[in-house]
Amino acid sequence: DTAVSQTPKYLVTQMGNDKSIKCEQNLGHDTMYWYKQDSKKFLKIMFSYNNKELIINETVPNRFSPKSPDKAHLNLHINSLELGDSAVYFCASSQEKRGQYFGPGTRLTVT
Amino acid sequence: QKEVEQDPGPLSVPEGAIVSLNCTYSNSAFQYFMWYRQYSRKGPELLMYTYSSGNKEDGRFTAQVDKSSKYISLFIRDSQPSDSATYLCAMSPMDTGRRALTFGSGTRLQVQP
Repeated sequence: DTAVSQTPKYLVTQMGNDKSIKCEQNLGHDTMYWYKQDSKKFLKIMFSYNNKELIINETVPNRFSPKSPDKAHLNLHINSLELGDSAVYFCASSQEKRGQYFGPGTRLTVT
Repeated sequence: QKEVEQDPGPLSVPEGAIVSLNCTYSNSAFQYFMWYRQYSRKGPELLMYTYSSGNKEDGRFTAQVDKSSKYISLFIRDSQPSDSATYLCAMSPMDTGRRALTFGSGTRLQVQP
């Protein structure tokens, strides 16, 4: 009965690899987001999709590519991973006139 | 200067105390204000969602917004050790249905038994 779920929970990989993180929400929301939380706990928006359409794309390296196969799923693919990509990545979803609901996070460590 | 400023703490209080957490912001366009609680190694959990100025109460939690001062607060009454977490304020200029949130950096709260 998890509202927003992400897989994997932990991801350890080497520099230069390509990896994907998956997100699914069962709240019936039509907007989904990816946020990045750095080592100082600061949360910053990366992307936002509404009904499978990209509506927010912050200044993020183009090595990061989101993909939304349907409005319940938003995946994040990262190419050529760098040390600075190490962070916790959160998926969130929302509907109008309500707050945003976050997943449990994916802790990415690049070695 | 960050758009949203929040004292990182840690804020340590005895069990049963009233806790006051605050954020200031610089963007006068912000109209929707939220408070999230984040336990260690967990995702942020939505606690309070308010629109424009005023107060909102939910159980032991009260959120206050003063747009004229660009200042928001979260009060926790009868604090419990289980309230120990990082509290994040977040805000948006428009309905958060389709807008990203701008977050404060979080205040770490410790409630001592």
